[in-house]
Amino acid sequence: GDSVTQMEGPVTLSEEAFLTINCTYTATGYPSLFWYVQYPGEGLQLLLKATKADDKGSNKGFEATYRKETTSFHLEKGSVQVSDSAVYFCALSENGQGAQKLVFGQGTRLTINP
Amino acid sequence: GAGVSQTPSNKVTEKGKYVELRCDPISGHTALYWYRQSLGQGPEFLIYFQGTGAADDSGLPNDRFFAVRPEGSVSTLKIQRTERGDSAVYLCASSLSSVASEQYFGPGTRLTVT
Repeated sequence: GDSVTQMEGPVTLSEEAFLTINCTYTATGYPSLFWYVQYPGEGLQLLLKATKADDKGSNKGFEATYRKETTSFHLEKGSVQVSDSAVYFCALSENGQGAQKLVFGQGTRLTINP
Repeated sequence: GAGVSQTPSNKVTEKGKYVELRCDPISGHTALYWYRQSLGQGPEFLIYFQGTGAADDSGLPNDRFFAVRPEGSVSTLKIQRTERGDSAVYLCASSLSSVASEQYFGPGTRLTVT
């Protein structure tokens, strides 16, 4: 079945550093791709998404580009802040039986130090 | 407005007992999903409802797990004869419709089976 593999964490960076969290996927069709974020004590929130090849999703300074040729959707941010500390999940949607079932990676815990 | 709510937030039960976990989706959302998140892992799909019917229950691990949504709003996930391996955070998400709609997640119910 479809699967998502994320860069293993935890990742620790200093404030204003450049961030990359790698994500690759395996899918039989043409899934949509997502990054979700879970801040401490909060529920999962959609950070950004891309629905077709070469689309770029962006939000809160984060970006990710849907690369079909490398089956990747790496998350990047040019200058991280302490408030970006959270767990980040890459996910794809399997479209079947009318549902948008999400398949998640294992998550990457990010800690930003001041 | 109100987001997805889940009760209880924490549940501790003994092995072999029966538990019910409740999800209140965002008002007007017709699609409802249940996921299970084990420690250090990403969420895994369990079941999807469109309205009152379970349109896809392919993620339920075995017949001890069952979910209902009798009036197309609140959903209850039921686990019979709980096992220690059922310990996880159970997440509920809802979306406006089934196709190409953002899923909004609740805070989860942490189930511990002793």
